[in-house]
Amino acid sequence: NAGVTQTPKFRVLKTGQSMTLLCAQDMNHEYMYWYRQDPGMGLRLIHYSVGEGTTAKGEVPDGYNVSRLKKQNFLLGLESAAPSQTSVYFCASSGLAGGTQYFGPGTRLTVL
Amino acid sequence: DQQVKQNSPSLSVQEGRISILNCDYTNSMFDYFLWYKKYPAEGPTFLISISSIKDKNEDGRFTVFLNKSAKHLSLHIVPSQPGDSAVYFCAASALSQGAQKLVFGQGTRLTINP
Repeated sequence: NAGVTQTPKFRVLKTGQSMTLLCAQDMNHEYMYWYRQDPGMGLRLIHYSVGEGTTAKGEVPDGYNVSRLKKQNFLLGLESAAPSQTSVYFCASSGLAGGTQYFGPGTRLTVL
Repeated sequence: DQQVKQNSPSLSVQEGRISILNCDYTNSMFDYFLWYKKYPAEGPTFLISISSIKDKNEDGRFTVFLNKSAKHLSLHIVPSQPGDSAVYFCAASALSQGAQKLVFGQGTRLTINP
């Protein structure tokens, strides 16, 4: 049972480059979330989705875009990467609005 | 403005003793409080939660206590085991706009010494 998977695991970008992080879940969950974790800070919500075709802004959405074209996938895009986006990115999903969130293993992104 | 705070970055406890991790919050609108455990190079995993209408929830070696008047919660692990060594995140939940939004504390690194 794969649960929540994230690709890639690691990535190094130059300032101004773009990339897309992929999150996939096989639990048929409606709700999906993207977080970032920085040293000395807890996870902060970037964007989230309450179902296929929906997206909404979280606490720190600037510089990111998301799409949820298929129920099982939630994509996080950086159009023009900045060093301030160096972080570890976690995806999570839950079956209910107030249900337990299950996290993926994370993507470590470095922007030079 | 940090709504959820874990003021101890690290904690070291001897195996077999009790570990107590603390968390403070400022927003009285939070309806659930959760603890997540995180090992290096892995995502956080859910450990235990408590509703804002309760003051205690127990699951095996793990107990969470909630003091609403003090806006404080704590996680007790007894007895502590080496496998409990990890980073523990406290999180508070607010259901808004159709989704459960979690606000996390900074984490406490727990080390269990043999």
